[in-house]
Amino acid sequence: GAGVSQSPSNKVTEKGKDVELRCDPISGHTALYWYRQSLGQGLEFLIYFQGNSAPDKSGLPSDRFSAERTGGSVSTLTIQRTQQEDSAVYLCASSLEGTSTDTQYFGPGTRLTVL
Amino acid sequence: GNSVTQMEGPVTLSEEAFLTINCTYTATGYPSLFWYVQYPGEGLQLLLKATKADDKGSNKGFEATYRKETTSFHLEKGSVQVSDSAVYFCSSNAGGTSYGKLTFGQGTILTVHP
Repeated sequence: GAGVSQSPSNKVTEKGKDVELRCDPISGHTALYWYRQSLGQGLEFLIYFQGNSAPDKSGLPSDRFSAERTGGSVSTLTIQRTQQEDSAVYLCASSLEGTSTDTQYFGPGTRLTVL
Repeated sequence: GNSVTQMEGPVTLSEEAFLTINCTYTATGYPSLFWYVQYPGEGLQLLLKATKADDKGSNKGFEATYRKETTSFHLEKGSVQVSDSAVYFCSSNAGGTSYGKLTFGQGTILTVHP
């Protein structure tokens, strides 16, 4: 079946612009996660959605970052007023139930470059 | 807090050599442990996992045993191939208040030469 998909695959933007990154999870997965992969910081958790519960936003680095998940499926990560330090690969993952034993399935990522 | 520490790389081996990549974790509870692999140009994919103490995860000739007494989850393979060249990430999911969050080690780059 189809895996996690993300769009765009690459995004180049100018400092100060807003960007939106999209994630389509695996159908039927109730949990959705966003991570960021950068050379300096490695793989970092950003935000986690589980069903209709309030999202866990504890990993968002600043209030310029926000995410929503509509209809329990597609998610959008928005970065406002982008900075050069936001340049990274943004990874989305989904899992069936969101438990600690669940396997998280990752998408191919969106490479964001802020000039 | 929760953390994962991997041995520093990069690791360079000849084909058919034995591989060990060390991984230790700290967690307040009893986390589930995972090894993810990222092949060149591809996304992260699960290699193996173990969800309780003394469990052994295995896949594609790789093995790792969940050792609670040493808080470790070392990755091993008896005979590596060129196709195993990739970046390997150890990770934990501590559950509890960190229910959905994977914490990753810094990654180990493995290069296998013919």
